Amino acid sequence: DAKTTQPPSMDCAEGRAANLPCNHSTISGNEYVYWYRQIHSQGPQYIIHGLKNNETNEMASLIITEDRKSSTLILPHATLRDTAVYYCIVRVSTDSWGKFQFGAGTQVVVTP
Amino acid sequence: ETGVTQTPRHLVMGMTNKKSLKCEQHLGHNAMYWYKQSAKKPLELMFVYSLEERVENNSVPSRFSPECPNSSHLFLHLHTLQPEDSALYLCASSQDGLGGETQYFGPGTRLLVL
Repeated sequence: DAKTTQPPSMDCAEGRAANLPCNHSTISGNEYVYWYRQIHSQGPQYIIHGLKNNETNEMASLIITEDRKSSTLILPHATLRDTAVYYCIVRVSTDSWGKFQFGAGTQVVVTP
Repeated sequence: ETGVTQTPRHLVMGMTNKKSLKCEQHLGHNAMYWYKQSAKKPLELMFVYSLEERVENNSVPSRFSPECPNSSHLFLHLHTLQPEDSALYLCASSQDGLGGETQYFGPGTRLLVL
C-alpha cells in the first residue's frame, strides 16, 4: 500500500479557505485518494475521493497533481465545525478487503 | 447521520464480563467492518465481512468475536477483556468491500475496561 504524509497540524481562520496537503509519492495507478475527517470522539466522516481528476462536492474540493504524487483538500470557507483531524488515505484496489489505512492525519483547528 | 448506527455509545465493563456491541447499517451495503481506535493511535482494522462471510481477520485476539447474521447487522462479542482493550470501537459499511468504494462509519462505542 502507498503511504501518505501529512503535516501534523495546521490552523485556519474562520471564513478563509483551508488547504490541506498530502504527499503520496508511491501511489500506483489504480489507487484512489480518499479524504476523511474525524471530529473528536466521533466516527470518521467521508469527505471526498478521486483517482486523477480534480473533484468537488458540497463539502470540499480535491486537487490531485498530474503525476498523482500529491493532493490538496480545500475547504472553501472554513467554519468552527470544521475543526477535526483530517485523514488522507490511498486506497488499494480490487484485491484487498477494507484496506483503509488511517495514519495520524492533520489536526485542523479553525479559529474565530 | 451516516446511515450506520452503533449501540451502546458508551460501555464500562469488568474483565470478567461478557458484553456485545451492535452495529446496524441502513444503506443497503453488503460489506461491514469493525475498527479499533485506541487513544492517540490510528484506526486499526479488526474484521471485515462481505455478504455475511468473514473475509478478513487482522490477528485480533479471540476475546473479540464478531458475528454478522445478515448484511445489515454486525456484532462484536466481548469476553474477558483487558484494560488495554479500552478504546473507541467503530463500525463501517460499504457497497462491496472491494476496490475504490467508500466506507461510511458509525459514531462508535466508547469502551472502558476496568
